[in-house]
Amino acid sequence: RKEVEQDPGPFNVPEGATVAFNCTYSNSASQSFFWYRQDCRKEPKLLMSVYSSGNEDGRFTAQLNRASQYISLLIRDSKLSDSATYLCVVNPGRGSTLGRLYFGRGTQLTVWP
Amino acid sequence: EAGVTQSPTHLIKTRGQQATLRCSPISGHTSVYWYQQALGLGLQFLLWYDEGEERNRGNFPPRFSGRQFPNYSSELNVNALELEDSALYLCASSFPRVRGYEQYFGPGTRLTVT
Repeated sequence: RKEVEQDPGPFNVPEGATVAFNCTYSNSASQSFFWYRQDCRKEPKLLMSVYSSGNEDGRFTAQLNRASQYISLLIRDSKLSDSATYLCVVNPGRGSTLGRLYFGRGTQLTVWP
Repeated sequence: EAGVTQSPTHLIKTRGQQATLRCSPISGHTSVYWYQQALGLGLQFLLWYDEGEERNRGNFPPRFSGRQFPNYSSELNVNALELEDSALYLCASSFPRVRGYEQYFGPGTRLTVT
């Protein structure tokens, strides 16, 4: 079983739409969680960390459900510039996995005018 | 503030040769991580260096090795190159054990093995 699983999409939405991405992780003891975005042939950029209480940054809202081992990202009022691949990332943070991040394969989003 | 830098941007080698990739972390970061992203695949963890020592290693053969220098910059060496080593190699840096190992990536080195 993969450490992090995401729906690969693609998601194609019009400008102004609300879109939600989900992912699940396999290690129930995982310590920290992130969403990164990656534009085509570029490096991943940290979008936001995900906290247990949920957190918001402008149009972006992240939620964590530890009981279900589930992470979500909600994007409101989508912009053309939001078109990218969104990567769900988990840090198990213990023992042999210390320091390493596990990346999902990514969910591709295209926002059209 | 300067981000993570990597060199070279592109590298073309032939099978059996050695490749050396370089990374400079964000100022103040002591940890450097290396990842491989092969075409169509997700990022795979290679190595983690902190304070000059290798702290963790992913599931890669020993011909993938590296080191971290006193100024916290790092080098990744890949010996006896194989065609399947062709990939984007990404370096990231962080303060270790801060904010859950939040990592910041450089632009990568695209290695092509022919």
